Amino acid sequence: NAGVTQTPKFRILKIGQSMTLQCAQDMNHNYMYWYRQDPGMGLKLIYYSVGAGITDKGEVPNGYNVSRSTTEDFPLRLELAAPSQTSVYFCASSYSDQRDRVKVSPLHFGNGTRLTVT
Amino acid sequence: AQSVAQPEDQVNVAEGNPLTVKCTYSVSGNPYLFWYVQYPNRGLQFLLKYITGDNLVKGSYGFEAEFNKSQTSFHLKKPSALVSDSALYFCAVNTDKLIFGTGTRLQVFP
Repeated sequence: NAGVTQTPKFRILKIGQSMTLQCAQDMNHNYMYWYRQDPGMGLKLIYYSVGAGITDKGEVPNGYNVSRSTTEDFPLRLELAAPSQTSVYFCASSYSDQRDRVKVSPLHFGNGTRLTVT
Repeated sequence: AQSVAQPEDQVNVAEGNPLTVKCTYSVSGNPYLFWYVQYPNRGLQFLLKYITGDNLVKGSYGFEAEFNKSQTSFHLKKPSALVSDSALYFCAVNTDKLIFGTGTRLQVFP
């Protein structure tokens, strides 16, 4: 059982370049998330999705885009990389059934992508 | 808007002593509350959650947390700390989306 898989593990970009961070989960979770983790700042939510075809902005969405064409995949796109986007990016997934408050699974995280923009 | 605060950047404790990592939250309505742990170069791992029911929640690795509605707190505790507990701990609150605190680094000294 792979859980949440993120690729690549490391990447260095030049300012203005673009890239896509890949995220896939095999647990049939409906919710998926992208977070960035900066030192001393904890995790900030970039975008999230409650199901295929549905995405929504989190706390820090500027400079990023997402899509959710399938339940399994939730790629994060950086169109014009900036030094401020240097961070560690984590993808996560969970199952949430808002009709039943007990059925809220914890988040399962990938191992992260360390991105440096120079 | 929902928020969660972890007032301590770092907590130091001697091995064998009890430990507490503090968390307070602010939400409208009833919260889902979580604790996660992060080891170096890894993603976060789930420790425990409070959804409803008993205020004392038991989780992985001997950790527990107490939900206090009047104080809007959800402090993480362990009766006897281990050196291997040294890690970064995150509290999180969820109403429509999960929001994390800034994290507390726990250092357990032998």
